[in-house]
Amino acid sequence: EIVLTQSPGTLSLSPGERASLSCRASQRVSSSYLAWYQQKPGQPPRLLIYGASDRATGIPDRFSGSGSGTDFTLAINRLEPEDFGVYYCQQYGSSPITFGQGTRLEIK
Amino acid sequence: EVQMLESGGGLVQPGGSIRLSCAASGFTFIDYAMSWVRQAPGKGPEWVSGISGSGDTTYYADSVLGRFTISRDNSNNTLHLQMNALRDEDTAVYYCVQDRAAIDPWGQGTLVAVSS
Repeated sequence: EIVLTQSPGTLSLSPGERASLSCRASQRVSSSYLAWYQQKPGQPPRLLIYGASDRATGIPDRFSGSGSGTDFTLAINRLEPEDFGVYYCQQYGSSPITFGQGTRLEIK
Repeated sequence: EVQMLESGGGLVQPGGSIRLSCAASGFTFIDYAMSWVRQAPGKGPEWVSGISGSGDTTYYADSVLGRFTISRDNSNNTLHLQMNALRDEDTAVYYCVQDRAAIDPWGQGTLVAVSS
């Protein structure tokens, strides 16, 4: 199975700053089938990005995804206070689907 | 609009059993392989089990192989997970999802708590 490793484990930034979250795969992710999710306490994850770089419906253009092969990045420009939470990457190109362990984004 | 409504969770003792159900709507159910994904407290999501659209083929994570059984009822657009010989480490919120897809939206999940 493909193992996804996210870094950093925790990111602490101020509103207005830019966040860069990394997701590295142990094998090539087929057809860039890589998604990013945001999760807040007590809620299920919410899809932000699919296909490595396509924003899901209703997601602000402050969120952008990039990468291919084994290295992927989620960038969040001009951080807003509501962007706090835990971010997960997921690959869905190979069975079984797998998830990263998460990056916690703290707002200063 | 795709919707998943999970149910059946609860508090169960170690070694006990429980059956989860998921009512799916908003898509042609039989056309999609489905999976159960769980999320333990403070942890990332973890794939548990999957089933083909026809129900002929099933897949399990090593951690649940031999204890859990996935099934589906295509006439009622329902997915099930029979969970036996439950362990403390099975405590999690369980979600049903379309397999091999970006998950959107997630259902609210159903909580299984294994504790004496």
